[in-house]
Amino acid sequence: GAGVSQSPRYKVAKRGQDVALRCDPISGHVSLFWYQQALGQGPEFLTYFQNEAQLDKSGLPSDRFFAERPEGSVSTLKIQRTQQEDSAVYLCASSLGFALSYEQYFGPGTRLTVT
Amino acid sequence: AQSVAQPEDQVNVAEGNPLTVKCTYSVSGNPYLFWYVQYPNRGLQFLLKYITGDNLVKGSYGFEAEFNKSQTSFHLKKPSALVSDSALYFCAARFNTNAGKSTFGDGTTLTVKP
Repeated sequence: GAGVSQSPRYKVAKRGQDVALRCDPISGHVSLFWYQQALGQGPEFLTYFQNEAQLDKSGLPSDRFFAERPEGSVSTLKIQRTQQEDSAVYLCASSLGFALSYEQYFGPGTRLTVT
Repeated sequence: AQSVAQPEDQVNVAEGNPLTVKCTYSVSGNPYLFWYVQYPNRGLQFLLKYITGDNLVKGSYGFEAEFNKSQTSFHLKKPSALVSDSALYFCAARFNTNAGKSTFGDGTTLTVKP
């Protein structure tokens, strides 16, 4: 079956531009996660949804970062006024249930380069 | 703060030899522990997890991991390495004191030489 998909796969933005990154989770998965992965590091948690509710946004680095999942399926991560330090791979993951024990299924990521 | 550490950036083993990729975590509540593998140009894939019960868990592709509460470790192991096991491995934890967040280590690159 289809896995988690993300678009675009690559995005180049000029400093100061706004960007929107899309995530399509596995159908029926209620939990959705966003991570930021810098080169040579592990994924860093950004935010977490259960259905359409954003339950944890403690990892968002600034108020320029905003995520939504209005219908409990597709999610968008928006970054306003991009800065060079925002350059990273942004990963989306989904899991079947709410419990901590569920493993996550990851998309291929969006590589964002801010010039 | 909750954290996960992978003390080795790189592990090299010969094909057919046993392999171990190390992971330790900070103590804070009861952890749920996971291993993921990342192949080049592909997303992270789930390998195995420890939730409760038997300390030795078995996962995909012949991998297993041992949970050791006293040492706060969750090392990934395989009795006989294959060249195709060469990849980047991540250990991750979720703690019941912070339900949403997953904490990842910085990854260990495993290279298996023929």
